[in-house]
Order: sequence, then structure tokens, then C-alpha cells
Amino acid sequence: GNSVTQMEGPVTLSEEAFLTINCTYTATGYPSLFWYVQYPGEGLQLLLKATKADDKGSNKGFEATYRKETTSFHLEKGSVQVSDSAVYFCALVSGGSYIPTFGRGTSLIVHP
Amino acid sequence: DTAVSQTPKYLVTQMGNDKSIKCEQNLGHDTMYWYKQDSKKFLKIMFSYNNKELIINETVPNRFSPKSPDKAHLNLHINSLELGDSAVYFCASSQDGGVSGNEQFFGPGTRLTVL
Repeated sequence: GNSVTQMEGPVTLSEEAFLTINCTYTATGYPSLFWYVQYPGEGLQLLLKATKADDKGSNKGFEATYRKETTSFHLEKGSVQVSDSAVYFCALVSGGSYIPTFGRGTSLIVHP
Repeated sequence: DTAVSQTPKYLVTQMGNDKSIKCEQNLGHDTMYWYKQDSKKFLKIMFSYNNKELIINETVPNRFSPKSPDKAHLNLHINSLELGDSAVYFCASSQDGGVSGNEQFFGPGTRLTVL
């Protein structure tokens, strides 16, 4: 079956530091890959996505590249802000499955 | 306008009771979902519902039952509530969950506390 593995948190950074949150996956076929963000007290919202190998998703300064050869979709941001403090979820969907697969989430804490 | 809405936002109840959580989406999506999020933020999919076809996560107890009166609504009914049911429940929708590139839109969550 499909699975998503994320690095365990919390990840604690100072403002303006570089962020990487690792995500690797196993899946049948050619899934689409997603990063969702959950701010405190809210539901998840899409941060970015990539639907085929070598695609780069980007939004709000965050980027992730779909690497089929390493089955990875690592999230990066060059300079984090306090407002980026949230829980980040890596997820995949295989075509026709109707059952998305989520990672366990990685908490990011950014200090001023 | 809220895309995916849930009611109530908070639900506190006694063990053994039966309760329902309502979900509505105004996006015209075909697929709706229910998730359970525990205190460690682990997200577990419970159900996927697409054009009257229910796809169940087999680990979900049969005390949980989704009910869809129409395409825009997917309610969650829980019988004989247990302490372990305490969690935040999220509803979500997707234009067509069978298309891998379609993202999900999540509701704000319902925090259920069973005493």
C-alpha cells in the first residue's frame, strides 16, 4: 500500500533561517504529491502540489520538487517567519484510489 | 462564503451517547471525506464518499457511520461514544477524489470531547 514518511518534529528555527522538512513516499503508479499546512486551531489548507516527476510546486516562498528517482518531495523555504509556525503535512494521492495518504505531520516553531 | 463548513465547532458529551456532526460544501465537489485527528496531530482518514459510493477505512469501528442526504452534505453519526473517540474531526471535499491531482479543501474541524 501507499505510505508517506515525514521527519519528526518539532523543528525549531530562528526567524530568517533556512527550512527543510523531509518527505519520502512509497506508492503504486504515479501519484500526485501535496504539502498541506495547518495553523493553530484551523483546518488544513493546501500549500503546494506537484502532479508529475520533476515538477516543482511553490507558494508563499515555499518550494518542493517531485523527485521520482529518490521518491521524495522535500519542503524548503529560504527564510522563515514567525507566522510560518504551523504543522506541515506531506500527502499523496494515487489516481483512482479515493483514499489520500498523509504523513504524520511536522510541527514548525519559528522564534523571533 | 465558507467553502467547507462543519457544525458544531465544539461538542462535549457523555460516554455512551449518540451524536452527529454535520458537514456542507458549496464548491460543487463530487468527493467528500471524514478525518480524525488525535492529540499528536496524526490524521487518519475514516471515509471517502463519491457519487453515492462509500469507501470505508477498514480500521474504523462500525459505530461510525457517514450519511449523505445529497452531494453537498456528508454528516458523521457516532453511536455509543467512547473516551477514545475524543479528537478533532475534519470534513474535506475534492472536485473528484479519483483524479490524483485534485487537492482537498478542509473544514475548520469539530472538537469532540467524551467525558
